[in-house]
Amino acid sequence: AQSVSQHNHHVILSEAASLELGCNYSYGGTVNLFWYVQYPGQHLQLLLKYFSGDPLVKGIKGFEAEFIKSKFSFNLRKPSVQWSDTAEYFCAVIFSGGYNKLIFGAGTRLAVHP
Amino acid sequence: DTGVSQDPRHKITKRGQNVTFRCDPISEHNRLYWYRQTLGQGPEFLTYFQNEAQLEKSRLLSDRFSAERPKGSFSTLEIQRTEQGDSAMYLCASSQGTGNTEAFFGQGTRLTVV
Repeated sequence: AQSVSQHNHHVILSEAASLELGCNYSYGGTVNLFWYVQYPGQHLQLLLKYFSGDPLVKGIKGFEAEFIKSKFSFNLRKPSVQWSDTAEYFCAVIFSGGYNKLIFGAGTRLAVHP
Repeated sequence: DTGVSQDPRHKITKRGQNVTFRCDPISEHNRLYWYRQTLGQGPEFLTYFQNEAQLEKSRLLSDRFSAERPKGSFSTLEIQRTEQGDSAMYLCASSQGTGNTEAFFGQGTRLTVV
């Protein structure tokens, strides 16, 4: 079955700490990969996406993610987090042949303390 | 363009009642998706429309659920004979139909069945 796994459900960091959130997906051929963020009380917003080309993708707000095909992974990173990064982060995958529907991971709730 | 709009934002209903939610996608987006999100989980795909045609339905969409997009613009999701297990956030997303494009999400309708 097509699935997406996020390794950490809750992460607590201090400001300026580095962040890495894990995301793995089940084998499914060609994939498109996404990270979405949901700030408290707001709707899901796209952080970054990978369709093809350079496997290191840069997104908004200093976030980046690396697609490692051999590991079926798409981990999200940020070198120095801010209090305003407190949010829930979702990894999502479009598997080939799926009408572009997103399959989401369970999410990681990030809390950044000043 | 104000993005994807969903109405109502919150709905409290008694078990056994019928409820209907509305989604207005971004204009000229011909793809429309419904997702359901429960506490601690990522959004789960429910159904997909391309223009007015419903092309895919998840197994999660029981016979009590029906969705329409009569003119290829707004969409409705109806739940008949609601059960407590239907309590969730119902999300709508839309995207353009050409190539790989991101999906834009609405703020969702939070349903509570008491």
